[in-house]
Amino acid sequence: RKEVEQDPGPFNVPEGATVAFNCTYSNSASQSFFWYRQDCRKEPKLLMSVYSSGNEDGRFTAQLNRASQYISLLIRDSKLSDSATYLCVVNERSNYQLIWGAGTKLIIKP
Amino acid sequence: ETGVTQTPRHLVMGMTNKKSLKCEQHLGHNAMYWYKQSAKKPLELMFVYSLEERVENNSVPSRFSPECPNSSHLFLHLHTLQPEDSALYLCASSPTGVNYGYTFGSGTRLTVV
Repeated sequence: RKEVEQDPGPFNVPEGATVAFNCTYSNSASQSFFWYRQDCRKEPKLLMSVYSSGNEDGRFTAQLNRASQYISLLIRDSKLSDSATYLCVVNERSNYQLIWGAGTKLIIKP
Repeated sequence: ETGVTQTPRHLVMGMTNKKSLKCEQHLGHNAMYWYKQSAKKPLELMFVYSLEERVENNSVPSRFSPECPNSSHLFLHLHTLQPEDSALYLCASSPTGVNYGYTFGSGTRLTVV
């Protein structure tokens, strides 16, 4: 079983729709969680950290479910500029060992 | 200049060449990282430096040799690479501690011919 697992997609979504994707992790002792976005041929950029109580940043909402060991990302009112690959990242032991998912590709269509 | 800067952006090298990748951060971070990203694969951690000391070396072949002369600069020296080493090489930095994400440089796209 992969340590961090994501549906690779692509998710093809019309502009303005709401889209959500999940990421599962295998280590129940994982301590911190992040979502990054990566545009084609660019570097990953931190989108948001994921807190136990859930957190929201504008159109983006992140949730953590420790019991089922997954995190989720919800994007409301999707924009064309949201098209990217979304990477789920889990910190297991220390800051030096972030475990990366392979990413979920999102394509927003006009 | 702010953020994490990597040079060169693109590099084509033969298998017998020696080259170096450079990374510089102006964020005051204490940790710096080298990652390899191949197509459709998760990011692979190669090396970690914390306070200029190497703290992680994830079984990377010796043809990759990191150097961290100070907390703002990180190098990756390359020699006798193989075609399968062609990938995007990303440098990142972060504060130390489990709750911080990384800031990445724009990467060096390496092609070994």
